[in-house]
Amino acid sequence: KQEVTQIPAALSVPEGENLVLNCSFTDSAIYNLQWFRQDPGKGLTSLLLIQSSQREQTSGRLNASLDKSSGRSTLYIAASQPGDSATYLCAVMSSGGYQKVTFGTGTKLQVIP
Amino acid sequence: ETGVTQSPTHLIKTRGQQVTLRCSSQSGHNTVSWYQQALGQGPQFIFQYYREEENGRGNFPPRFSGLQFPNYSSELNVNALELDDSALYLCASSSGQNYNEQFFGPGTRLTVL
Repeated sequence: KQEVTQIPAALSVPEGENLVLNCSFTDSAIYNLQWFRQDPGKGLTSLLLIQSSQREQTSGRLNASLDKSSGRSTLYIAASQPGDSATYLCAVMSSGGYQKVTFGTGTKLQVIP
Repeated sequence: ETGVTQSPTHLIKTRGQQVTLRCSSQSGHNTVSWYQQALGQGPQFIFQYYREEENGRGNFPPRFSGLQFPNYSSELNVNALELDDSALYLCASSSGQNYNEQFFGPGTRLTVL
């Protein structure tokens, strides 16, 4: 059974700081890993999708890396802004004949102006 | 291009009642997945529909059922509501059966009293 862990559970940083969010998974037989952002009480916004054959993906100030062999992914946010404050979730898609997706519990980020 | 929409936004029910939640997939997407997100937790996979057929199911009892229509919109039905069913219900649409990026709707907040 796939288990996904995100550390830390919460993070508070001053504006402008670079930061790294971590995601660990127990079963390395994955097809892809997706990072999401969730604002309070809202749905999920897709940030980056990394296929199992890829090592990293970049979008603007965001960079996500994937190391399947060690069961880890990181989301790097450069030059953080107060608007980045949200909960960040990673989701791992595993084999199973269908889109079996396991989410972590998220990292709640607060960027202080 | 229209994104994923869900209705209603909020819903309050009492124990034992039945509820139907609705989701319209993003244009061009033929796969819809439903998730339950309890407060402070990551989303849990309920089931997925691909071309009107259930294509996989998570660890949820049979009182959680669904439908997908020819236009690929979908319904989630929950019978005999329990207090623990209180959660944010999210649907996600994607293109194809396997391993593609999922796009989420804003969710329906269900409260069971």
